[in-house]
Amino acid sequence: AQTVTQSQPEMSVQEAETVTLSCTYDTSESDYYLFWYKQPPSRQMILVIRQEAYKQQNATENRFSVNFQKAAKSFSLKISDSQLGDAAMYFCAYKAGNTPLVFGKGTRLSVIA
Amino acid sequence: EPEVTQTPSHQVTQMGQEVILRCVPISNHLYFYWYRQILGQKVEFLVSFYNNEISEKSEIFDDQFSVERPDGSNFTLKIRSTKLEDSAMYFCASSEGINRHTQYFGPGTRLTVL
Repeated sequence: AQTVTQSQPEMSVQEAETVTLSCTYDTSESDYYLFWYKQPPSRQMILVIRQEAYKQQNATENRFSVNFQKAAKSFSLKISDSQLGDAAMYFCAYKAGNTPLVFGKGTRLSVIA
Repeated sequence: EPEVTQTPSHQVTQMGQEVILRCVPISNHLYFYWYRQILGQKVEFLVSFYNNEISEKSEIFDDQFSVERPDGSNFTLKIRSTKLEDSAMYFCASSEGINRHTQYFGPGTRLTVL
C-alpha cells in the first residue's frame, strides 16, 4: 500500500523568510500525482499545489514551489516570503490511477511576526 | 469560482442517532468522495461515488454508513447509528475525473457525538 510520510510535525518560520516542508512517499507506480493541501484553523482543505509524476519540471504557484525528486520519492514544499496567513496545517497527498488520495499526517506551520 | 459546499458546518447528535451530512459538489464534476479527519489525526478516505454507485470504499465505511445522490446536485453521507468514535470532521470532495483530476474539498462538517 502506498504511504506518505511527513517527518516534521511542526515547523516555524519568520515572516518574509522561506521555509521548506518535507514529504516522502512509497509507491511502485510510475504514473501518479502529488499534492499539497493547506488546512487553516477553519479546517477547510485548500489545494496549494499539484505535481504530475511524469513532469520533470517542478510545479510553482506564486510563492509556493515544490522540489520533486522522483527517484528519491521526495516531494517538498517551499514557501517563499512567508506571510502570517500561511500559518496552517499542511498535508502532503498522493494519488495513483483510480485509487483514493492518501494523506500524510501533516506539518503544522507557525509564522512568527 | 465554483466550489464544493457542505451543510451543516457543525452537527451535534446523541449516540445512536442517525445523521445525514450534505454536500453539493462542483456542478460539472462526476466523481464524489467522503473523507474523515478525527481531531489531531490525518485525513482518511471513506468512499468514492460515480455514476450513482459506490466505486470504492475503505474499511472504515462499514454497514452503518451509506451514501446517496438523491437529486442532480446533492451528495449525502448517512451514519445510521452514531458512535462516540464517529466524532470527526467530514469532508466532501469532487473531481471531474478519477485518474488525472484534482479533488476539490468542501469546508467540512464537524460532527460531535455525545
